Amino acid sequence: NAGVTQTPKFQVLKTGQSMTLQCAQDMNHEYMSWYRQDPGMGLRLIHYSVGAGITDQGEVPNGYNVSRSTTEDFPLRLLSAAPSQTSVYFCASGSVLYGYTFGSGTRLTVV
Amino acid sequence: GENVEQHPSTLSVQEGDSAVIKCTYSDSASNYFPWYKQELGKGPQLIIDIRSNVGEKKDQRIAVTLNKTAKHFSLHITETQPEDSAVYFCAASTGTASKLTFGTGTRLQVTL
Repeated sequence: NAGVTQTPKFQVLKTGQSMTLQCAQDMNHEYMSWYRQDPGMGLRLIHYSVGAGITDQGEVPNGYNVSRSTTEDFPLRLLSAAPSQTSVYFCASGSVLYGYTFGSGTRLTVV
Repeated sequence: GENVEQHPSTLSVQEGDSAVIKCTYSDSASNYFPWYKQELGKGPQLIIDIRSNVGEKKDQRIAVTLNKTAKHFSLHITETQPEDSAVYFCAASTGTASKLTFGTGTRLQVTL
């Protein structure tokens, strides 16, 4: 039981490049979400999903896309990276009933 | 939407003392309030949570209290130890939406 696995752990992108942050969970959770963490601002919700085929926007969705084709995976796509997207990204899965488990994060730098 | 405020932003206590972190929320429909501990370079880890039908919950040295009328909840850590040093986040959620809104975090330092 690996919990929530995020890859890669570190990434440097040039402005305008695209990439996908991967998130996988093996706990059969219906709910998955992506947060970004910036100094002094806590964790802000980007996108979330309540099940396969269902996604919705969070607080800061602009510049990010998601899809949920399976219960296990919830990738986050940056179509055209900008310096403002430099941040640490966390994926989480779980529920109000059982609590939420976070991955170890992806540290992204856009230059 | 929900807004969660957390105070203080930094807290320094001596080993063995108690630490208290307070949060307020804005949405009266929120009914789930978890607390997370984040160590350097790691993801947030759930340490305790409380639901709106409960006023207090304890787990060894950690306790959380909830005042629904005032819309605030607090984390209490007793007999603090150096390994309690970390950043602590509170959060609030309405159960049906399953979305967590986080406070801005409290950096707790336990000194010897």
